[in-house]
Amino acid sequence: EIVMTQSPASLSVSPGETATLSCRASQSVRSNLAWYQQKPGQAPRLLIYGASTRATGIPARFSGSGSGTEFTLTISSLQSEDFVVYYCQQSITWTFGQGTKVEIK
Amino acid sequence: EVQLVQSGAEVKKPGESLKISCKASGYSFIDNYIAWVRQVPGKGLEWMGIIYPGDSDTRYSPSFQGQVTISVDKSISTAYLQWSSLKASDTAMYYCARHVRELPQGWDYFDDWGQGTLVTVSS
Repeated sequence: EIVMTQSPASLSVSPGETATLSCRASQSVRSNLAWYQQKPGQAPRLLIYGASTRATGIPARFSGSGSGTEFTLTISSLQSEDFVVYYCQQSITWTFGQGTKVEIK
Repeated sequence: EVQLVQSGAEVKKPGESLKISCKASGYSFIDNYIAWVRQVPGKGLEWMGIIYPGDSDTRYSPSFQGQVTISVDKSISTAYLQWSSLKASDTAMYYCARHVRELPQGWDYFDDWGQGTLVTVSS
């Protein structure tokens, strides 16, 4: 089974600054990596797929990079609605990381 | 507009059976896999399994194999997740999600999600 490990578990950032979230796969998943955002009480929302392609309607301040086993989600100019939880998911056997919570500093 | 509408919250006792549903609309139901994802309160997302409505081809996460059954009824564009004997540890929010494979790269992702069904198992 492919294990996805996200770091850090939580991240404190000031509004307007940049958050950098990491996701590591236990074996290569090439570019088969998606990122999801989950707000409290809501279903997850697709942000990024193919490691770096923004989903429809996702603001340009969200960007993804990486391939193989190391991936990054960068959120620039953090806005109030961005302080929620983010999950990576490898799309070969669909396992998720454990999530990173972005908190207001 | 793609919509996945899930059945309502359930409260069950240990040992009881349950079947929850996910009704799809706004696209050709048989063309996309439907996945089920579990979220225990306060915890992360766990992929449970996925089914292709076109031929009912089903794959399960090793963690959920034998614990649940995923099925579809193509005639009413609905996917199901069922348990034959619930445990307290099955208490969670369950989401269905539509799988997309984007060609030619072959990127896979879940682009639309149901609103979730909260299942509470308690004696």
